[in-house]
Amino acid sequence: TQLLEQSPQFLSIQEGENLTVYCNSSSVFSSLQWYRQEPGEGPVLLVTVVTGGEVKKLKRLTFQFGDARKDSSLHITAAQTGDTGLYLCAGAGVSSGSRLTFGEGTQLTVNP
Amino acid sequence: NAGVMQNPRHLVRRRGQEARLRCSPMKGHSHVYWYRQLPEEGLKFMVYLQKENIIDESGMPKERFSAEFPKEGPSILRIQQVVRGDSAAYFCASSPNLQPFSGNTIYFGEGSWLTVV
Repeated sequence: TQLLEQSPQFLSIQEGENLTVYCNSSSVFSSLQWYRQEPGEGPVLLVTVVTGGEVKKLKRLTFQFGDARKDSSLHITAAQTGDTGLYLCAGAGVSSGSRLTFGEGTQLTVNP
Repeated sequence: NAGVMQNPRHLVRRRGQEARLRCSPMKGHSHVYWYRQLPEEGLKFMVYLQKENIIDESGMPKERFSAEFPKEGPSILRIQQVVRGDSAAYFCASSPNLQPFSGNTIYFGEGSWLTVV
């Protein structure tokens, strides 16, 4: 069974601070996605990383896929109150085909 | 989220009743996935379907749960004889092709919240 562990589970910071969320596994993934979910809504895809060592940037968000494709990180620079939400990582396993394995999420609160 | 339509958004059922959740994928998408999110837990894969075929149902409970994606019409997730533990958010997702995770996008709907009383 593939597992994805996200840390921290909860994060409360002040506006303007930087933060990093981690997603770790002992399994190799063919790709990894990061989603953001608001209360009462479905997950919205932020990025997909496919290649080991890949780095993608989305405005103030930087996503990195580990060299061994077992872990990933999300770094937010100069957080804003609008960044508040639940951040989920999800991996597509090498042998699991279409199934996504989700982490349990990081609940980020950015205070004004 | 635009395009993947789920209904109903909220559904209340008494124990023992049946729940039917519908999902219309994005236009042009022929692959549908159902995930369940229990309170305070992450999303868990349930089933992957293509038109008229169940491809992977390894995440579906063995009893009371079934899914279909007919040639015409939406995909339906059916839960018979619901119990309180079935209370959860059920999300449908769709993708356009056979390998959605090789850099292609999978889109989620806004979910159907089932409450069993």
